[in-house]
Amino acid sequence: GQQLNQSPQSMFIQEGEDVSMNCTSSSIFNTWLWYKQDPGEGPVLLIALYKAGELTSNGRLTAQFGITRKDSFLNISASIPSDVGIYFCAGTDFSNTPLVFGKGTRLSVIA
Amino acid sequence: GAVVSQHPSRVICKSGTSVKIECRSLDFQATTMFWYRQFPKQSLMLMATSNEGSKATYEQGVEKDKFLINHASLTLSTLTVTSAHPEDSSFYICSAAPAGDHEQYFGPGTRLTVT
Repeated sequence: GQQLNQSPQSMFIQEGEDVSMNCTSSSIFNTWLWYKQDPGEGPVLLIALYKAGELTSNGRLTAQFGITRKDSFLNISASIPSDVGIYFCAGTDFSNTPLVFGKGTRLSVIA
Repeated sequence: GAVVSQHPSRVICKSGTSVKIECRSLDFQATTMFWYRQFPKQSLMLMATSNEGSKATYEQGVEKDKFLINHASLTLSTLTVTSAHPEDSSFYICSAAPAGDHEQYFGPGTRLTVT
């Protein structure tokens, strides 16, 4: 099925560094969502974006909905060890319909 | 708010038996719930979409007679893995969507091991 292109696949960074990851799609979406998944847990919603160009923050996290509606990025500032996990982007057009997921970005933080 | 629970969190069963996994939305009504399967180091794979009071919609390649889904109320959906085999061992995750919302909230997942 349809899938988003998410990059990078994995990242190893030093504690305190900023992180950036992005997702692109061949088709437009009306909503972009960013999730974080810890090992053995379900994904947790971090940020939801509803409008093209929208920039939204959640603590040290900032995400933007691309103007073309075909991309989104997530930035994490001043990373800390608990940021370790897999970050997924997801897109959707309508309420109560399946999400289209990226393959995830695995983040490792070196103290 | 927007809490989704799953039960059990872990289950080990013998080959040939059936296992039921429950997904509950604790503080909202979910007209739609989704069931996913996740293999190690991979993304979530949608298995089926469950709408309250109607039959589930299964993704291509997912056997509806093997993975029985029931969405009997606005807060509960169940997935039953029938006649489980070792290849059914996986991490199963549900998500729930409040009516009219684009956001989905995920349960903590169920680790199924079939011996």
